[in-house]
Amino acid sequence: GQQLNQSPQSMFIQEGEDVSMNCTSSSIFNTWLWYKQEPGEGPVLLIALYKAGELTSNGRLTAQFGITRKDSFLNISASIPSDVGIYFCAGEQGAQKLVFGQGTRLTINP
Amino acid sequence: KAGVTQTPRYLIKTRGQQVTLSCSPISGHRSVSWYQQTPGQGLQFLFEYFSETQRNKGNFPGRFSGRQFSNSRSEMNVSTLELGDSALYLCASRLRQGMYQETQYFGPGTRLLVL
Repeated sequence: GQQLNQSPQSMFIQEGEDVSMNCTSSSIFNTWLWYKQEPGEGPVLLIALYKAGELTSNGRLTAQFGITRKDSFLNISASIPSDVGIYFCAGEQGAQKLVFGQGTRLTINP
Repeated sequence: KAGVTQTPRYLIKTRGQQVTLSCSPISGHRSVSWYQQTPGQGLQFLFEYFSETQRNKGNFPGRFSGRQFSNSRSEMNVSTLELGDSALYLCASRLRQGMYQETQYFGPGTRLLVL
C-alpha cells in the first residue's frame, strides 16, 4: 500500500543532542501528524498540523507542514532518554484514513 | 476520559482459524478505524466505520471484515487465518468524520500470532 518516505530509518545519538527527521510524499495531504510508538503500545500523537506552512511546537518538539503540502519535518531538541522509541509521520488525504511513513527508530546513548 | 481500549491484548491462533478483535473508542467518539502493523509493511489502513457504516476500506482481502455497533464499539474479524496475518492490530477513534481539525487516537493494539 501507499506509504510516505520517512528518513532517516534509524538514529543513534548522544543524550542532549538535537534530532531531525522528515517525511516526503508525491501526494498532497490535508493534515500531517507525528506519532511516537513504544514497544507493545499503540502510536501516541505528538503533534498535528492542519495548514500548509504551519509550524507547531509541543515542548521540545517542533514540527512543520510543508508549503507544498507534500512534506513535513519533526525536530526534537535536547534529547533525553525517554525520547527513545519509533517516530512515525502520517498524512491524511480524506477524513478517514491515515498513510504512514516507515518510522524512524531513535536510540539515545546516555 | 478513558482512552481507546482493545481486547484481547494478545492472541495466538492457528492457520485456518478465525479471530474477532474488539475496540471501544473514546467516549463520545463515533468514528473507528483499524490498522495492521507488521515489520515488513509498516502501518496499513484496514477500514473505517462511522455510525455503524463502513466508510472507507484499504487494500486487504475479503477475509478481513468489521462492523460497528450502535454504541460505537467496533469489532474486526479475520477468517481463514494465514501466517502472514500475524501482526499488531490497532484501532483508532475520532469524534466525528470529515472534520479536518481533529485527529485519530490509537489504542494499545491486539498482538495476533498465527502458528
